[in-house]
Amino acid sequence: AQTVTQSQPEMSVQEAETVTLSCTYDTSESDYYLFWYKQPPSRQMILVIRQEAYKQQNATENRFSVNFQKAAKSFSLKISDSQLGDAAMYFCAYRSLYNTDKLIFGTGTRLQVFP
Amino acid sequence: DAGVIQSPRHEVTEMGQEVTLRCKPISGHDYLFWYRQTMMRGLELLIYFNNNVPIDDSGMPEDRFSAKMPNASFSTLKIQPSEPRDSAVYFCASSLTSTGVDGYTFGSGTRLTVV
Repeated sequence: AQTVTQSQPEMSVQEAETVTLSCTYDTSESDYYLFWYKQPPSRQMILVIRQEAYKQQNATENRFSVNFQKAAKSFSLKISDSQLGDAAMYFCAYRSLYNTDKLIFGTGTRLQVFP
Repeated sequence: DAGVIQSPRHEVTEMGQEVTLRCKPISGHDYLFWYRQTMMRGLELLIYFNNNVPIDDSGMPEDRFSAKMPNASFSTLKIQPSEPRDSAVYFCASSLTSTGVDGYTFGSGTRLTVV
């Protein structure tokens, strides 16, 4: 069974600085999808960025980018030019290409942004 | 589209009472998921439907929990009788494609408190 691990329960960053959130996963599959979701205090789960495992190029969405290391089964999220509105819980998630129904989440990382 | 709509947003009930949580998925989405989020256990998948048919309910904690999807635009999660340990945020999410690339779209959740 696949698992997703986020080893950083909490992280903090100063406004305008860069922060990287870590995520590792375990799978025997070769094709899959990876996601980062943001959950602000409003508790709405918001999709931040996605990565298809068959793509070597790292996904980028404005200030958010990932470092996808397939061999190491690592999928970190980099937030550049951090803003106060980035403060939230961030969840890494895995979705199989073959059994595409379930989204498996990590335990989350709480990000604080200081002015 | 208004997104995934959940009601109520908050629910406070007494132990032993029946609780019904409601979800309206995004029109056209053929997958619907119910998740429970707690501090201790994170995000747990309770049950999911494909084309209104329950596919996997292995995450439903006990017989006190039941879920239905009578049509493509409505689903309910019922707890009867409720217990204090059921207190959590319950999320509904829907997905359009079975290929996995889109992740899920989540509702805003229902915060359930059982006293």
